[in-house]
Amino acid sequence: EVQLVESGGALVQPGGSLRLSCAASGFTVSSHYMSWVRQAPGQGLEWVSVIYTGGSAYYAESVKGRFTISRDNSKNTLFLQMTNLRADDTAVYFCARALYLSVGYLDSWGQGTLVSVSS
Amino acid sequence: DIQMTQSPSSVSASVGDRVTITCRASQDINKYLAWYQQKPGKAPQLLIYGASNLQGGVPSRFSGSGSGTDFTLTISSLQPEDFATYYCQKANSFLFTFGPGTKVEIK
Repeated sequence: EVQLVESGGALVQPGGSLRLSCAASGFTVSSHYMSWVRQAPGQGLEWVSVIYTGGSAYYAESVKGRFTISRDNSKNTLFLQMTNLRADDTAVYFCARALYLSVGYLDSWGQGTLVSVSS
Repeated sequence: DIQMTQSPSSVSASVGDRVTITCRASQDINKYLAWYQQKPGKAPQLLIYGASNLQGGVPSRFSGSGSGTDFTLTISSLQPEDFATYYCQKANSFLFTFGPGTKVEIK
């Protein structure tokens, strides 16, 4: 069974840093394109970042230069390193797997982890 | 960047109704379009990919159509479990922008 479990969400002050983790089971993270998607309280979905199977990474303009996506193949885990956090980064962060051989069709999602940025 | 819009932003419907949601891309995205359903407090669920392909396990009352810039999600006969928010998403290139969502509410 495919499962994604996020962790690492917390309350952090503006300008602070946080690293989110997404532990995968039932499939190999390095064989799929993996994304992070966030949802601010009461708002819609915002795609944040993707890491390709080959390791290339891309970001939404709103987080470019501040967030870094990566993975640890030995731990079958996806990460999102977030720096210089702002109040508008407050959201539930989901990790998601793309359908095999596709890039953007997200067929499996974690339950989400809450990041709150506030002083 | 390509922008995604949806209409309506909300719709009130009764069980058994046919519901149609429209999604428009600001540029041609061929058929690289997905639809998701999200219920409160839950992660989104993939319904349709490639504009018209039904994801495994999704009921056949859901269907998608369109290509280029205009797309449609249709629920042929609304069921109680279908009251939720629906999002379209462009899936070409690497900026997987979501639409703003359409909330399907009970009439």
